[in-house]
Amino acid sequence: AQSVTQLDSQVPVFEEAPVELRCNYSSSVSVYLFWYVQYPNQGLQLLLKYLSGSTLVKGINGFEAEFNKSQTSFHLRKPSVHISDTAEYFCAVRETGFQKLVFGTGTRLLVSP
Amino acid sequence: EPEVTQTPSHQVTQMGQEVILRCVPISNHLYFYWYRQILGQKVEFLVSFYNNEISEKSEIFDDQFSVERPDGSNFTLKIRSTKLEDSAMYFCASSTESGGYTFGSGTRLTVV
Repeated sequence: AQSVTQLDSQVPVFEEAPVELRCNYSSSVSVYLFWYVQYPNQGLQLLLKYLSGSTLVKGINGFEAEFNKSQTSFHLRKPSVHISDTAEYFCAVRETGFQKLVFGTGTRLLVSP
Repeated sequence: EPEVTQTPSHQVTQMGQEVILRCVPISNHLYFYWYRQILGQKVEFLVSFYNNEISEKSEIFDDQFSVERPDGSNFTLKIRSTKLEDSAMYFCASSTESGGYTFGSGTRLTVV
């Protein structure tokens, strides 16, 4: 069965600094990978996804992620964060041939001035 | 952009009561899901539904839970006899065959 690990429960960062949120997964088959953002008291919004093709995926709000198959990672990056990026970020994986998403425990990004 | 719509946004119910959470998935999607998120915890898969039947369910989805697509547009989650530990945010989602998932904004269920 697949699993997702987000080692950092919280990442504090100053505004305009770069950030990387780490995600590692385990699966015995090929996977699709996703990053979702959840603002306080709101639902899940898709930031970006990797289904196939280029391993560097660009998403909304200036975020990007790189799929690294050998390291089974899908880290999320942004070169310069804003206060408004403060939110919870969830990495998720879906095994090919299956439909359900398995989520990581989330990383809270805290951007301060 | 098409949305998944969930109603109500917040529901309070007494322990032991039945509750029905409602969702309208995106019209051309084929797969429908329910997930839940207990406060401060991760999002957990409950059930997936395809071709008018459950295609997969988690161990959380026991006999107290059921899903239904009563017409061509709605997708419901019923909890027969709610417990305090059912308090959570419940998310409905729908997807295409290739995995284009869209989540609703959630229903916050509070069991008192």
